[in-house]
Formats: sequence, structure tokens, C-alpha cells
Amino acid sequence: EAQVTQNPRYLITVTGKKLTVTCSQNMNHEYMSWYRQDPGLGLRQIYYSMNVEATDKGDVPEGYKVSRKEKRNFPLILESPSPNQTSLYFCASSLSLQGNYGYTFGSGTRLTVV
Amino acid sequence: AQSVAQPEDQVNVAEGNPLTVKCTYSVSGNPYLFWYVQYPNRGLQFLLKYITGDNLVKGSYGFEAEFNKSQTSFHLKKPSALVSDSALYFCAVRDAGTSGTYKYIFGTGTRLKVLA
Repeated sequence: EAQVTQNPRYLITVTGKKLTVTCSQNMNHEYMSWYRQDPGLGLRQIYYSMNVEATDKGDVPEGYKVSRKEKRNFPLILESPSPNQTSLYFCASSLSLQGNYGYTFGSGTRLTVV
Repeated sequence: AQSVAQPEDQVNVAEGNPLTVKCTYSVSGNPYLFWYVQYPNRGLQFLLKYITGDNLVKGSYGFEAEFNKSQTSFHLKKPSALVSDSALYFCAVRDAGTSGTYKYIFGTGTRLKVLA
């Protein structure tokens, strides 16, 4: 089944403890992106990747890191999480952003930083 | 700059009645427009898209959307609402590339509540 898989689905952590949220897609998509969803703010892009070893900042990149060493994986790293990073996170992929393709989204990761 | 507006935080409609979820956009070139739906505890799912051609686009689950260039709108519609349509709906726009950027912008979402 074509899908984007995120892990974990739920995570509670403490301030400052490094964490990684994994994202993997099995559709050979070039483009991958991370979003956070907050009430009243919709989806805001954190980072995106046009292809392997090609990543760039989105609208709210502060406090996050990403890497794209393989086409299928695009992990989101929080080096020192803070409570304002408590949010619902989505990974998404698309065949290419230059065509008329939509996104396939993962099921989300609900992160709570205490 | 690209932007998307969903003016209603919530839309309530009785089951069997027609529904409309509104979306307006602003882009510098020709827009690619999308609607996504999010059910509780799930990721967003693609519903439909407008790229070019017929202004009325049909999508999944009986939904359709009407592109209106003069009003820069892309409203989501369904002739007869079902309780199972209750969800959070997102409109998104992507610049078609005339500005040299390729980026999605999402609206803030509209919660649709269909009442039995």
C-alpha cells in the first residue's frame, strides 16, 4: 500500500531532551515536507526537501532540523525541545512539486513537551 | 505573496442539505488549488484539485469544487451532506511556478459539522 509512515504517533517528552520523529514513504516521491498543525493557525511548513541531500527551511524552522540521506526517509529532529513545540506534526510527500501532484500525508505525531 | 483564506471556522449543516465550504486565494500566477479533508486522529487526505480546464471539479466522496477566477475563489460543495462528512477541511494553493517558487500554502481549516 502506498503510504507515508510516521513514528511515533504520540510522544510526551521533557524540555531539552533530544528527539527524532521518523518519516518514511514507499512511493519513490522526490518531495517531502514537515508541517505542524496548531489550532487557528492551520498547517505551517517547517522544512522541506526537493530530493536527496536537498533540504530547505519552511515558514517555521526555528528549533528543528531535518536530513534527507535517502529518498524514502525524512526525519524531523528536535535538538532541545521546548513547550512551544507542543503540536501535531505531519510529514507529507509528493511525486514532484513542479507538477500538479497533491500531497500524501502521514497519520501525524502528537508531541507534548513538558 | 501567496495566501489562502477560509473565512469560516465552522460550518453546520443538516444531513441531506447541500453544503458549501468557502475558500479564497491570492497568487501571482495561475493557481493550482486543492482541497484536503482530515478526519479525527488521521492525516489529511486529498479530495480534489483544480489545475486547468473545466471550472467545476469533481472529487472523492461526492464532493466538487467550483473555481471562479474573477472572485479568486475555490469553494467546496456537496449536494447532499452526510453525517460522515463531518471533519476538518483544508483548502491549499500552489503557485504554478511563474514566480519561480513552488510552495503550498494551506488555509486555517474549516470544521464541518453535519447534524442528523
